[in-house]
Amino acid sequence: DTEVTQTPKHLVMGMTNKKSLKCEQHMGHRAMYWYKQKAKKPPELMFVYSYEKLSINESVPSRFSPECPNSSLLNLHLHALQPEDSALYLCASSQEDRVSSTDTQYFGPGTRLTVL
Amino acid sequence: TQLLEQSPQFLSIQEGENLTVYCNSSSVFSSLQWYRQEPGEGPVLLVTVVTGGEVKKLKRLTFQFGDARKDSSLHITAAQPGDTGLYLCALNRDNYGQNFVFGPGTRLSVLP
Repeated sequence: DTEVTQTPKHLVMGMTNKKSLKCEQHMGHRAMYWYKQKAKKPPELMFVYSYEKLSINESVPSRFSPECPNSSLLNLHLHALQPEDSALYLCASSQEDRVSSTDTQYFGPGTRLTVL
Repeated sequence: TQLLEQSPQFLSIQEGENLTVYCNSSSVFSSLQWYRQEPGEGPVLLVTVVTGGEVKKLKRLTFQFGDARKDSSLHITAAQPGDTGLYLCALNRDNYGQNFVFGPGTRLSVLP
């Protein structure tokens, strides 16, 4: 099983709403990632969790709050977002090979977020 | 300054033609990955290249890693409409870490 699942597939929210994006993998991977991808741009790294601990936060605004409840799940909590936050949010996981730098990321299909 | 550059930015060709897209960096990197992404989907890994001068083949796709490990190319033979998509290269900024960065991508359109 090399699948990373994400829910919901689409989300429309107002600027005062609170919502959460969910990501799940059952490959035994110990690194999980959130990326943001705007139209016609490459994915941009937001957060990395390594062994359920936040290891990288790429200066993301506090209105995005990640959470890793266990090694299989990754959430992204959203609050008071702005219209410019509308994008495709991608989750990925990797085994986290601490011996070499050839870790392979597997991506989910993404959540298409629209902020009104 | 982009860590990774890709060229061309856009490419539109007819079915059956051959093409090559490039990924370049001013820095040496220990490994590089190529992905293909279709609209509304997440990127799908095609290959990881590690050794300078390495060549890997995946059916009609041939990937090459430059000898100096600062550049890579993807060659597609007899392109098909199913090859249409965004081709992204990515590298890990930290040796042994998970700090991945993507190039801007090449958007390929193969017309029937």
